[in-house]
Amino acid sequence: GENVEQHPSTLSVQEGDSAVIKCTYSDSASNYFPWYKQELGKRPQLIIDIRSNVGEKKDQRIAVTLNKTAKHFSLHITETQPEDSAVYFCAASIGGSYIPTFGRGTSLIVHP
Amino acid sequence: NAGVTQTPKFQVLKTGQSMTLQCAQDMNHEYMSWYRQDPGMGLRLIHYSVGAGITDQGEVPNGYNVSRSTTEDFPLRLLSAAPSQTSVYFCASSPRGQTLNTGELFFGEGSRLTVL
Repeated sequence: GENVEQHPSTLSVQEGDSAVIKCTYSDSASNYFPWYKQELGKRPQLIIDIRSNVGEKKDQRIAVTLNKTAKHFSLHITETQPEDSAVYFCAASIGGSYIPTFGRGTSLIVHP
Repeated sequence: NAGVTQTPKFQVLKTGQSMTLQCAQDMNHEYMSWYRQDPGMGLRLIHYSVGAGITDQGEVPNGYNVSRSTTEDFPLRLLSAAPSQTSVYFCASSPRGQTLNTGELFFGEGSRLTVL
């Protein structure tokens, strides 16, 4: 089955800095890579996703890059703000199914 | 729309007891799923369904049963609760399950279960 590794498990930055979270996956047939944000005590919510025919996608301060050859993808957050503090999960689809397997999460802490 | 509704939000069980976590969605989504979230373990898929009458196992199905008699409802049953099933459970749905283009997951608020 699909295996998704996510690093780091904890990331602490100063407000205004950039943050990068990296993930690798094992199934070369995976074609969908979403990122979810979970604030403390809340449900996970999709913040951005990318499909395998695209190398990079941006949405305001958030960007995701995908390297299919190396089987890794990354989340980039620029100009971080305290409200970006949350747990971020990467995921990769099980084959071509769009059913995601999640990484273990990264706790991002943005210090004012 | 209420979205994805889970009940109960909190539950305490004794070892060996059974219970059902309820999940309902009003978005006419074909795909529904159950995840458990444990500290440092991410979200692990328990069972999923791509439409009424169709269910399948995920990564950690042992000790859980599901059924999908309607598009709206996807209950998760714990047959004989064990302390290892102490966790936060999330139900999630997505449109167009049977076409295998599920895309974004919409999560419920979660159900915190403690098994003593």
